[in-house]
Amino acid sequence: GQNIDQPTEMTATEGAIVQINCTYQTSGFNGLFWYQQHAGEAPTFLSYNVLDGLEEKGRFSSFLSRSKGYSYLLLKELQMKDSASYLCAVSYDRGSTLGRLYFGRGTQLTVWP
Amino acid sequence: ETGVTQTPRHLVMGMTNKKSLKCEQHLGHNAMYWYKQSAKKPLELMFVYSLEERVENNSVPSRFSPECPNSSHLFLHLHTLQPEDSALYLCASSPRTSGSIDEQYFGPGTRLTVT
Repeated sequence: GQNIDQPTEMTATEGAIVQINCTYQTSGFNGLFWYQQHAGEAPTFLSYNVLDGLEEKGRFSSFLSRSKGYSYLLLKELQMKDSASYLCAVSYDRGSTLGRLYFGRGTQLTVWP
Repeated sequence: ETGVTQTPRHLVMGMTNKKSLKCEQHLGHNAMYWYKQSAKKPLELMFVYSLEERVENNSVPSRFSPECPNSSHLFLHLHTLQPEDSALYLCASSPRTSGSIDEQYFGPGTRLTVT
């Protein structure tokens, strides 16, 4: 729902930098989350953006442009353990469903040695 | 235990069986959610409970029946399921309090196979 679009797959090598993009419908936007999900495991929270700009957390950073309906997750100094699916999720203000998350299909990142 | 727990982790059931999935959160959150995750598809929200009241039912077939006896526990009762219901069922909870990021914390999921 809400046309949350992200690439299906990406590959990169250890030590490199990768950027995973996400676009979404802007109407009613309340905030954007990035989650990491390893195969067979629960999604885990990585970052949250509500204002324009870059949020940095160690090797991971997330950027948001509200006017463009665009976000990216930047992973630096890639490690093998970063191989996972990265989920972009957007919260929309829908009255009684305030805070409901709409998820993209996820980007499967494979990190090669 | 901490966080969000789910049992069982794996479940195989026939189409005529009745089973229940259980979720428990130890975070003091006010809202709980059931999601379905199928291969190659986005996470699909099924139900939302806020302070034990169902606030959303996302057009889910009646063969899935949720129950929230208190703010820490959430069940999903299953009966006469179809093979296409095979998926990973994830439970999540969130604070749902004003002024805070409503980050959702996920359980490990139940891998359901309907035969």
